[in-house]
Amino acid sequence: DVKVTQSSRYLVKRTGEKVFLECVQDMDHENMFWYRQDPGLGLRLIYFSYDVKMKEKGDIPEGYSVSREKKERFSLILESASTNQTSMYLCASSLRHMGELFFGEGSRLTVL
Amino acid sequence: AQRVTQPEKLLSVFKGAPVELKCNYSYSGSPELFWYVQYSRQRLQLLLRHISRESIKGFTADLNKGETSFHLKKPFAQEEDSAMYYCALYSGNTPLVFGKGTRLSVIA
Repeated sequence: DVKVTQSSRYLVKRTGEKVFLECVQDMDHENMFWYRQDPGLGLRLIYFSYDVKMKEKGDIPEGYSVSREKKERFSLILESASTNQTSMYLCASSLRHMGELFFGEGSRLTVL
Repeated sequence: AQRVTQPEKLLSVFKGAPVELKCNYSYSGSPELFWYVQYSRQRLQLLLRHISRESIKGFTADLNKGETSFHLKKPFAQEEDSAMYYCALYSGNTPLVFGKGTRLSVIA
């Protein structure tokens, strides 16, 4: 089974702090994604990556950046956290077909 | 632009009743449609995809290109079907576009 692991399940940060969300997958998938999940808004794509060191903006990239230095790891960075970034963040990966995603358990971030 | 619409935020049905979760899409090409499900305290996972034409956990979904719909159906709801369901569209060159989700509550 593909395993997508998000190391931080719950985080509480203060406004202005820098936040790192880490995601690791163990099945050599090319594609990795960061989504944000909010009630009533569904899943919105923040960034995705189709190869090491490659990244593409999704629908809501403002306030976020990403890093993919190794194939198995995709990090989401909030340079200066704000209260409107309080959310559930979902990491996902896929082999080639971007429609069949494997998700992590999520990282719930609260920004005070 | 691609768009997925799930008109119901919440759907409540009694156990044993039929279930239909609605999904409509807008896309000018030939999309692939998916249903994803998230049970309480579990990760989001793929439930089914239209090209497989299979039944998973008793659920089926048929792509209707004329009505641009991909409704999820099950003839007899079970309590364990209570979950959040997301419809998603794949156009072949961009990541999945998700609907806003429908929470299904099956009442005993």
